[in-house]
Amino acid sequence: AQSVTQLGSHVSVSEGALVLLRCNYSSSVPPYLFWYVQYPNQGLQLLLKYTTGATLVKGINGFEAEFKKSETSFHLTKPSAHMSDAAEYFCAVSRAGGTSYGKLTFGQGTILTVHP
Amino acid sequence: IAGITQAPTSQILAAGRRMTLRCTQDMRHNAMYWYRQDLGLGLRLIHYSNTAGTTGKGEVPDGYSVSRANTDDFPLTLASAVPSQTSVYFCASSDSAYGSANTGELFFGEGSRLTVL
Repeated sequence: AQSVTQLGSHVSVSEGALVLLRCNYSSSVPPYLFWYVQYPNQGLQLLLKYTTGATLVKGINGFEAEFKKSETSFHLTKPSAHMSDAAEYFCAVSRAGGTSYGKLTFGQGTILTVHP
Repeated sequence: IAGITQAPTSQILAAGRRMTLRCTQDMRHNAMYWYRQDLGLGLRLIHYSNTAGTTGKGEVPDGYSVSRANTDDFPLTLASAVPSQTSVYFCASSDSAYGSANTGELFFGEGSRLTVL
C-alpha cells in the first residue's frame, strides 16, 4: 500500500518569497513521485516528476523538488513566488513497475495563496 | 489540441436517477482513469482501464461502473445516484499502463461537477 501526506492544507506567502510545500510518502516499493497543480475550475497538470536518476528534479514555472529516500519526502520549492503561482498543489505517488504506473495515490492538496 | 473532453461540465441530479459522465480523448492513450475530487481528500481513483476492452476497480468503486468499448471513450455511470456522490469528477489518461515507457504521468480533463440532491 502507498500513501501521501501533504503537511499544511493552506500555505500563504508574499510575492517574491520562498515557496515550500511539504510532501511525505509511504511506499513498500520504489516510488514514482509527482507534483500536480490545479488552477481554479481546471483539471490538474503536471509540474514535475521523479522516476529514477537525479534526485533533484526541475519542473515548469521555476518549481523544483528533491526526492529524499531517507526522509521519505518530496518537498516542492520555488525561490521566488509569483502571483500566478496561486493554485492548489497535489503530491502523488505511484508504484514503479507493472501496471500500476497511472494509478496514482494523491495527497489531500495544499492551497497556495500569494499576496502582494 | 483537445486532449481530454468531459461532459457535462456541471449537472444537478435528483437522488435515485441514473447518470453517465462522458470522457473522450484524442491522444490515442491506452490507459484511462476516473477520479473523484473531494475537499480535504484529494483525488481518489474510482475505476481504471489499462487498455480497450479491460477495466478495473480503484479505491472507491462502489456505486459506479465503467466501460471501455474503444480506445477513445471511457464513460462513467452512476446507476442510482446518492448525495454522497456529489463531487467533482476527473477523467485522465496516460500513454500506457505497461512497460518502462510510461512514467505514470496523467493528462486530465477539466472535470465534471456533479451535485446529487
